[in-house]
Amino acid sequence: EAGVAQSPRYKIIEKRQSVAFWCNPISGHATLYWYQQILGQGPKLLIQFQNNGVVDDSQLPKDRFSAERLKGVDSTLKIQPAKLEDSAVYLCASSLRTGTSISGELFFGEGSRLTVL
Amino acid sequence: AQTVTQSQPEMSVQEAETVTLSCTYDTSESDYYLFWYKQPPSRQMILVIRQEAYKQQNATENRFSVNFQKAAKSFSLKISDSQLGDAAMYFCAYISGTYKYIFGTGTRLKVLA
Repeated sequence: EAGVAQSPRYKIIEKRQSVAFWCNPISGHATLYWYQQILGQGPKLLIQFQNNGVVDDSQLPKDRFSAERLKGVDSTLKIQPAKLEDSAVYLCASSLRTGTSISGELFFGEGSRLTVL
Repeated sequence: AQTVTQSQPEMSVQEAETVTLSCTYDTSESDYYLFWYKQPPSRQMILVIRQEAYKQQNATENRFSVNFQKAAKSFSLKISDSQLGDAAMYFCAYISGTYKYIFGTGTRLKVLA
């Protein structure tokens, strides 16, 4: 079974430039998460999708970050314009959720490391 | 609001010894799950062990076991017979009916040969 795919693995940009990250979850996983992980910290949820609908984007800086999950499969996270403090690893995760079960294990991709200069 | 706290930024253990990583959480929910995830250096995060809140029996997975104290809202991870491959960041996580995963700040585990 293929895992969660993310690209690019590494990206270096200047501040005020834009960047996009792509994630393809495990086939059949309805729930997709984007997390931001700053060095030395735990993952911080940016946005959560259930199929192609947004469940939670309360911590997404909407003035500069946007995300979409067209057709309820793969997803793109965009940052425009980037700031120095956006330097982090952006993790995509997916889970299989059936009915009202909350026990779903998260399956993570390898992450996309962003450096903003 | 739910919170997850890991008070040990870093721990060390001798190979073959036992180590316990601490985690406390705060919630008013009655139905929830707790998890420990492992993040090796430059590698993806993987699930180590999970615990259902309604189960009194502590979960175990080979050398990994938890001490779940629901009343105290404590969820510690015990690693027995530590191996060099256990060196990683360990994150405690919580999920409830809102489906929002909340992670702690992590504990870096060093295994000394």
